[in-house]
Amino acid sequence: AQSVTQLGSHVSVSEGALVLLRCNYSSSVPPYLFWYVQYPNQGLQLLLKYTSAATLVKGINGFEAEFKKSETSFHLTKPSAHMSDAAEYFCAVREAGTALIFGKGTTLSVSS
Amino acid sequence: GAGVSQSPSNKVTEKGKDVELRCDPISGHTALYWYRQSLGQGLEFLIYFQGNSAPDKSGLPSDRFSAERTGGSVSTLTIQRTQQEDSAVYLCASSFRLAGASYEQYFGPGTRLTVT
Repeated sequence: AQSVTQLGSHVSVSEGALVLLRCNYSSSVPPYLFWYVQYPNQGLQLLLKYTSAATLVKGINGFEAEFKKSETSFHLTKPSAHMSDAAEYFCAVREAGTALIFGKGTTLSVSS
Repeated sequence: GAGVSQSPSNKVTEKGKDVELRCDPISGHTALYWYRQSLGQGLEFLIYFQGNSAPDKSGLPSDRFSAERTGGSVSTLTIQRTQQEDSAVYLCASSFRLAGASYEQYFGPGTRLTVT
């Protein structure tokens, strides 16, 4: 069965620092992987997705993620955090023919 | 174009009452999903619809929960005899089709349900 584990329910960084949000998945077949962001009192917005093309995926707002099959990981990074990046981030996996399975989420705080 | 819309945005109900939550997907999207977001449980899949196929109800937590999709478009999630543990944000999403698993799901803003 598919599952997603997000390490760290809360990550705090300073403005301008590297952002690293961790995601590990479990899937019996090559997965489709997603990162979504949720700003306060808003719905989910897709940041980026991996669909078996390039292993390094670039998304919106300067975020990117690298698919590493050997580590079953899909960590989200951004070189320089901005105050507007403060939000909750969800990693999700989807095998063909199923709905999304989400991780528990990681809240990112950015301090000045 | 218009995104996924949900109504109401907030709903407060008394324990034991029935509630209906509505979702209007993006026009042309054949797949529709319901998720629940609650403290401590994260985002949980509830049910999805794909075209005229029988819905996948495997995520519904109890028989008090049901959903229908009329005319392949609007969907209603019904919770009967609400309990306090039903309090959560209910999110609806739609996508072009289910078979192409890479298709992006577009989420609505959600309905915040509070059961008192």
